[in-house]
Amino acid sequence: EAQVTQNPRYLITVTGKKLTVTCSQNMNHEYMSWYRQDPGLGLRQIYYSMNVEVTDKGDVPEGYKVSRKEKRNFPLILESPSPNQTSLYFCASSPRVQETQYFGPGTRLLVL
Amino acid sequence: AQSVAQPEDQVNVAEGNPLTVKCTYSVSGNPYLFWYVQYPNRGLQFLLKYITGDNLVKGSYGFEAEFNKSQTSFHLKKPSALVSDSALYFCAVRDMDTGRRALTFGSGTRLQVQP
Repeated sequence: EAQVTQNPRYLITVTGKKLTVTCSQNMNHEYMSWYRQDPGLGLRQIYYSMNVEVTDKGDVPEGYKVSRKEKRNFPLILESPSPNQTSLYFCASSPRVQETQYFGPGTRLLVL
Repeated sequence: AQSVAQPEDQVNVAEGNPLTVKCTYSVSGNPYLFWYVQYPNRGLQFLLKYITGDNLVKGSYGFEAEFNKSQTSFHLKKPSALVSDSALYFCAVRDMDTGRRALTFGSGTRLQVQP
């Protein structure tokens, strides 16, 4: 089944403890992206990747890192999480940047 | 800069009645426009998109949207609402011409269809 998977789905952590949220797609898509969803703000793009080893900042990249070493994986790294990073995170992918994005199920993060 | 406005936080409609969820956008070039739907505790699902061509776009689950360049709008419509259409709807835009690769989303509109 063609899908975007994210792990973990739920995570509670404490301020400053490094964490990684994994994202994987099995559709051989070139474009991958991370969003955060906050009430009243919709989805805001954190980082995106046009292809392997090509990443760039979205609208809200501060406090986040990404890497794209393989086409299928696009992990989101929070080196030192803070409470303002408490949010619902979505990974998405598409064949190319201009095409429809397919979203993962989301990761709900709480930073205490 | 590109932006999207969804002026209504919530739209209430009775089952069987037509529904409209509004979206206006701002880009400096030509827009790619998308509608996504989010059901509770789920990711976003693609409904429809406008790239070029016919201004009336038909999508999944009986939804359609009309691209209006003069009004910079892309309202989502359905002739007859179902209770199962109750969800959170997002409009999104990308500027075709600037080369910016981000997809900008609106803040979302919650659709409530009453039986």
